[in-house]
Amino acid sequence: GDSVTQMEGPVTLSEEAFLTINCTYTATGYPSLFWYVQYPGEGLQLLLKATKADDKGSNKGFEATYRKETTSFHLEKGSVQVSDSAVYFCALSEGGSQGNLIFGKGTKLSVKP
Amino acid sequence: DADVTQTPRNRITKTGKRIMLECSQTKGHDRMYWYRQDPGLGLRLIYYSFDVKDINKGEISDGYSVSRQAQAKFSLSLESAIPNQTALYFCATSAASVRGDQPQHFGDGTRLSIL
Repeated sequence: GDSVTQMEGPVTLSEEAFLTINCTYTATGYPSLFWYVQYPGEGLQLLLKATKADDKGSNKGFEATYRKETTSFHLEKGSVQVSDSAVYFCALSEGGSQGNLIFGKGTKLSVKP
Repeated sequence: DADVTQTPRNRITKTGKRIMLECSQTKGHDRMYWYRQDPGLGLRLIYYSFDVKDINKGEISDGYSVSRQAQAKFSLSLESAIPNQTALYFCATSAASVRGDQPQHFGDGTRLSIL
């Protein structure tokens, strides 16, 4: 079945450091790919998405490119801030009769001043 | 997301009790979902509903039931709670999509503790 694997955390960075959180997926078709962020005490919020190969999703300085050849959707940010501290989830959806999201296990990011 | 409201936000109860978690949305979406979040396991789908007359089991439906009372309301019940159902529960909604490219919108969660 479909699955999402993302790098385990926690990840601790200093402010202004470069961030990469790896995400790879297994899917039978052509899924849409998502990154969600969960701040402490809150629900998940959509951070960005990409719906076809080579699409780049971007938001709030974060970017991720849908790479079909490597089945990857790595999240990057050039300069993290303390306010980026959160748990990040990679997810996919195949659509069709289900349309459910399949999530990775999440990566906790802590950014130190 | 204030458009998806979950009640209660926190609940502590005892083993064997019946519990209902409620979710309401003002986004006008047809699709609603219930997930469970456990540390280190991400989110797992319990049940989902594509409209009022459509209810489907997810990955971990055993021990849970749901009711879609209206387009805007989707409740999750634990008929006889057990301690390993202690978790953070999320409701989500989405617009219909054949391609699965519509994002889901989440409530702030219900933290449930079963003693």
